[in-house]
Amino acid sequence: SAVISQKPSRDICQRGTSLTIQCQVDSQVTMMFWYRQQPGQSLTLIATANQGSEATYESGFVIDKFPISRPNLTFSTLTVSNMSPEDSSIYLCSARGAADTQYFGPGTRLTVL
Amino acid sequence: RKEVEQDPGPFNVPEGATVAFNCTYSNSASQSFFWYRQDCRKEPKLLMSVYSSGNEDGRFTAQLNRASQYISLLIRDSKLSDSATYLCVVNRRNSGYSTLTFGKGTMLLVSP
Repeated sequence: SAVISQKPSRDICQRGTSLTIQCQVDSQVTMMFWYRQQPGQSLTLIATANQGSEATYESGFVIDKFPISRPNLTFSTLTVSNMSPEDSSIYLCSARGAADTQYFGPGTRLTVL
Repeated sequence: RKEVEQDPGPFNVPEGATVAFNCTYSNSASQSFFWYRQDCRKEPKLLMSVYSSGNEDGRFTAQLNRASQYISLLIRDSKLSDSATYLCVVNRRNSGYSTLTFGKGTMLLVSP
């Protein structure tokens, strides 16, 4: 299984600002994903981070709000732009393993005031 | 109908009990199925994949019924450390790749 690290682990931000979350995988992986988990809810896929091309966003998520980079096979960033309190959530990076399994980073706990 | 549905619980059981969780999914084209475990304020961790013939891993048994689009997880001899939320996960195939859809989870509380 892949070991995934994220930073920051948590942050408290003012509305209107932006935060970039970094995700590092300890091995090369073909697919990386970004999820959001709001309090009491399950995981919602934001987008698939594609290496060397634009991310593929799920319905309800757009690039202007959640720009994603993936410059190589082990690293990705997610930016939460122009934040509002509704963006308060845990953001999780994930990498694809064998046979469709996925492994998750420890998450970034974001609070927007 | 939601893509993946689970009873949210909580299931309160004593140590040593056997407990079963069920899950239904709506996409008949799904090919991969998993159970994940999520502890409070932690990330989800893969518990086990679910195979068509059913599979067992120690105290945990997973079963899949494709005709009914139903997945189950059985935990025998529950331990205090089994207390967690159990997420039913199903793949969804997009053009060229698949993504995973997570249920909301079933909370299990094992008491002494």
